[in-house]
Amino acid sequence: AQKVTQAQTEISVVEKEDVTLDCVYETRDTTYYLFWYKQPPSGELVFLIRRNSFDEQNEISGRYSWNFQKSTSSFNFTITASQVVDSAVYFCALSEAWAGNQFYFGTGTSLTVIP
Amino acid sequence: AAGVIQSPRHLIKEKRETATLKCYPIPRHDTVYWYQQGPGQDPQFLISFYEKMQSDKGSIPDRFSAQQFSDYHSELNMSSLELGDSALYFCASSSTGSGANVLTFGAGSRLTVL
Repeated sequence: AQKVTQAQTEISVVEKEDVTLDCVYETRDTTYYLFWYKQPPSGELVFLIRRNSFDEQNEISGRYSWNFQKSTSSFNFTITASQVVDSAVYFCALSEAWAGNQFYFGTGTSLTVIP
Repeated sequence: AAGVIQSPRHLIKEKRETATLKCYPIPRHDTVYWYQQGPGQDPQFLISFYEKMQSDKGSIPDRFSAQQFSDYHSELNMSSLELGDSALYFCASSSTGSGANVLTFGAGSRLTVL
C-alpha cells in the first residue's frame, strides 16, 4: 500500500498563478516526519522542508508555504506567484521513527509553469 | 558546504555487464542510503548503511550488492545488468543525531543499459 499519495500527477499553471500540491500520508506511528523534495529537470533531489508530527504549525518560506493537518493526514505545499524556475517534479515523503526512519516517497507531482 | 558526491554521473553498459557506482557522503554523516529511480517513477529504496554496517534493505535485486568502507564512502555493485536496470541511482546521507533524518541526496548517477 502506498504510504504517501500525491494524487496530482501533472499540473500546469501560468506564471504568477498560485498552485497547491497535495500530499496525503498514512501511518500508524505517532512519531513521524514529513518532507518535500524538488527534482528539477537536471535530476537532483533538493530538500525543501521537514516537519515532525508534533508540530502542526504552518510554515512559510518566501513564496513557499506548507499546510500540515494531522486531522486529514495531509501535508500540502503551496507555491505563490509561481515562476518558470519552479517547474519540476515535487515529491512528498514520510519517515516513520519506528521503521528506522526509512523514507517513503510519493509518486511525485510534475509541475509545469508556463511563461 | 560539502555535498554528497556521486560518480560517475553517467554510465553506459551493455546487458550482462557489471557496473559500480560510488558515493561519498557528507563528512560526519553516519548513514548512507541508495535509491533507484526509474523513468517517471519515484525513488525506490535499495539499501542503507549505518556506521559501515548494513542497516536496512529494500527492493534491492540479488544481482546488486553494496558496502560502506572505512572512509565512509559507499559503492553499489550491479552485475548481470538488465535493460530494466536503466535508471537514475541516488545516494543520500544523513546524520542520526537530530532525530529524524533529513536525507541529503547526491546529484545521481544515470545508468543506461543497452
